[in-house]
Order: sequence, then C-alpha cells, then structure tokens
Amino acid sequence: NAGVTQTPKFQVLKTGQSMTLQCAQDMNHNSMYWYRQDPGMGLRLIYYSASEGTTDKGEVPNGYNVSRLNKREFSLRLESAAPSQTSVYFCASSEFLATVRHFGDGTRLSIL
Amino acid sequence: GQQVMQIPQYQHVQEGEDFTTYCNSSTTLSNIQWYKQRPGGHPVFLIQLVKSGEVKKQKRLTFQFGEAKKNSSLHITATQTTDVGTYFCAGPGSGAGSYQLTFGKGTKLSVIP
Repeated sequence: NAGVTQTPKFQVLKTGQSMTLQCAQDMNHNSMYWYRQDPGMGLRLIYYSASEGTTDKGEVPNGYNVSRLNKREFSLRLESAAPSQTSVYFCASSEFLATVRHFGDGTRLSIL
Repeated sequence: GQQVMQIPQYQHVQEGEDFTTYCNSSTTLSNIQWYKQRPGGHPVFLIQLVKSGEVKKQKRLTFQFGEAKKNSSLHITATQTTDVGTYFCAGPGSGAGSYQLTFGKGTKLSVIP
C-alpha cells in the first residue's frame, strides 16, 4: 500500500520550460489536492479535485493547470515555468473534502 | 480572506522541557487539524478537533480547541529529540471556501539534547 505517490522527486527547469508533476493514490479517495510550500510558509493550495471529473482553483492557481485523469491520478502542469514557481510541491488525498490526511513525499522543483 | 496565525515561529527547548504552539484563526472554524513535518519530509496528519473546548491527548501531545472555535493549541510534555520538526495547524474556510484548508506558517521546534 503506497499511499500517495509523486513523481519526480526532484526537477530543475529553465525559465519558460514546461513540465507535468504526476500524482497517484491507491486509497480510493475521492478528493485530491496540490499544494506548494515555500520557505517559512505554510502550505498553500494550488488546485483541488473534489471528485473524479471536477477541479477547482485554490489560493494560488496562476501559472498552473491540473487534470484529474481518473480517480487515482491528479497531475499538475506548469506551461511556462517561472523562477517564482521554485518550490516544494505536495500532492495529497482525502476521503472527505478539507480533511487532508495523506500527503505524498513531495517534488522539489527549481526553476533557473 | 481567512487567516490562520501561529506563534511562536521558532522554539528552541532543552530536551525534557515542555513546548506549546498556538494557533489563531480570523474566523470561526468548523474544525482544526494539526500536522507535523520533519525536516525534508512531508506533512503528517496528527489530529482533527471538531467540538468547542475539545481536548485530546496522544501520549505526550495534548491538543485543545478553544471554546469560541477560533483558536487551538498543541502542548508537548517533556520533549524528546524525536519531536523535532515543524508543527502546522490548518482550518477550513467558510462558505464557498469551506473545501479549502488554510495552513498556518508553522512553529519550528528544535530540541537540544
């Protein structure tokens, strides 16, 4: 039972490049989330998906897009990476909305 | 929008001393959740408090939810080096934002052996 799996764990991009962060959960949870964490900050919600087929913006959605591919998978895409998007990204899942109990190990993303 | 504030930002304690972190919300919360994050790790869910005035204990950790449901605290008795990490509180928004958790900035605990 892997829980929430994120790939990749580390990535370095150049400004303007695009990439997709992958997330999968094996707990049959309805809700999935993408957060970013910057030094000295708490986690800030980028996007969330209450259930398969739905996505909604969180606190800091600009510059990102998401896809809820199926119940297991929720991906985050940076279309044109900017240095301000250098951060640690966490995917999470939960059985109930706004009760987040399971986080992935994170993706450490640096944009030069 | 909703704000969740935590104090202190940092706390250094001698091993064996007690530790408390406080969480205050600008709005009344339906519940509050606490997490621990070890250095380089991911947040780990500790507990959810729902009822006004609720107190819950997990071994040396005591969690309290205020009577007005706008504040909460986490108290660790006799800290150990394994308690090192950052402790976050988080609460759901209200109305249209009720599906979103707002996290505090956390209290980073260092334990001196």
